[in-house]
Amino acid sequence: DTGVSQNPRHKITKRGQNVTFRCDPISEHNRLYWYRQTLGQGPEFLTYFQNEAQLEKSRLLSDRFSAERPKGSFSTLEIQRTEQGDSAMYLCASSSSYGDTQYFGPGTRLTVL
Amino acid sequence: SQQGEEDPQALSIQEGENATMNCSYKTSINNLQWYRQNSGRGLVHLILIRSNEREKHSGRLRVTLDTSKKSSSLLITASRAADTASYFCATPPSGGSYIPTFGRGTSLIVHP
Repeated sequence: DTGVSQNPRHKITKRGQNVTFRCDPISEHNRLYWYRQTLGQGPEFLTYFQNEAQLEKSRLLSDRFSAERPKGSFSTLEIQRTEQGDSAMYLCASSSSYGDTQYFGPGTRLTVL
Repeated sequence: SQQGEEDPQALSIQEGENATMNCSYKTSINNLQWYRQNSGRGLVHLILIRSNEREKHSGRLRVTLDTSKKSSSLLITASRAADTASYFCATPPSGGSYIPTFGRGTSLIVHP
């Protein structure tokens, strides 16, 4: 397995547009996490899935954000009506049900103009 | 608020020197993890130390954990220019779901 992958790697959009990111976790991992990271900060937790169930969401995840993991494999994160404040690196990570280590993807860098 | 905080925020050393960075946290933890992030990239897991362990080694890395002081340190010995990166500690709180929180990181620059 080649690890966690994320697409696209970069996304530039205009304010008000919708964007969708995809994350493909390590195949045998049941847990999938989304984080947001801005310059000079550590990753901030957004949401987490156990298989297809979204078990926890951060207060950071406003109504404009939605995440899915329809078959317990890949996940998508959609941001509607993007704002300039949404500009950040969006990181995906996965881990096994009984493991503690998270494996991160390379991230999707979003720039909202 | 963030559970873990790294110190110092920035560290600049010469190749061959040792680099020490610290992490302090607030609540009880199951384990503490250190990650490295090269500029503009995802995080890479370095080492995990469990709450019942006091010291752990991995190659040139040495991690200590003092649960009484709620602190951990990461020592990189004989640093190389390739160690230039940001280093984060992640501290999942004990009990409940496993959601680690990250500090702001220590930015390490190793000059060749």
